[in-house]
Amino acid sequence: DAGVTQSPTHLIKTRGQQVTLRCSPKSGHDTVSWYQQALGQGPQFIFQYYEEEERQRGNFPDRFSGHQFPNYSSELNVNALLLGDSALYLCASTRESGRWPTDTQYFGPGTRLTVL
Amino acid sequence: GIQVEQSPPDLILQEGANSTLRCNFSDSVNNLQWFHQNPWGQLINLFYIPSGTKQNGRLSATTVATERYSLLYISSSQTTDSGVYFCAVYANAGKSTFGDGTTLTVKP
Repeated sequence: DAGVTQSPTHLIKTRGQQVTLRCSPKSGHDTVSWYQQALGQGPQFIFQYYEEEERQRGNFPDRFSGHQFPNYSSELNVNALLLGDSALYLCASTRESGRWPTDTQYFGPGTRLTVL
Repeated sequence: GIQVEQSPPDLILQEGANSTLRCNFSDSVNNLQWFHQNPWGQLINLFYIPSGTKQNGRLSATTVATERYSLLYISSSQTTDSGVYFCAVYANAGKSTFGDGTTLTVKP
């Protein structure tokens, strides 16, 4: 049973560029959430996708956008990169149960983004 | 939004010692999870525990939702237990909030 997978593992970009990160959820899961983890801090919720729509969003600017595909995989796009966007980006998946996810959330290994 | 506080921020133990990590949250939550983040950044599920007590080997957790806190107990600690332990709470339709973590160092 494949867990949550993310690609790429590492990425180096320069200020002003755009980046796309990818996530495949755990088998049987249909809900994907994205997090940003700066060094020494806990993960911060960016947004969550369910049924190909953004359902919840944290305090992140519109430069952060996403997409969910019919196979439940997801992309995170960040435009106009800033130095402060350097972080570990984590994807998590869960299974919808009722009105909103109440099941265990599983995390991928993350993508480490460095902005120079 | 909801606030999550973890304590202590840092903990250093000798191998074999026991420890208790605490997570306080400021409002009612739908569920709560404990994670262990290894040195490579992977978040590993420890417990899904919106209320009550669960045990898994040397680890156990208790959440008292009415008093807005959760505790993670580690008994007979091993060097492989080292890492950062996070508590995450889920309050609104899947939106989650993590604490800043407790960094545990277990010395041989």
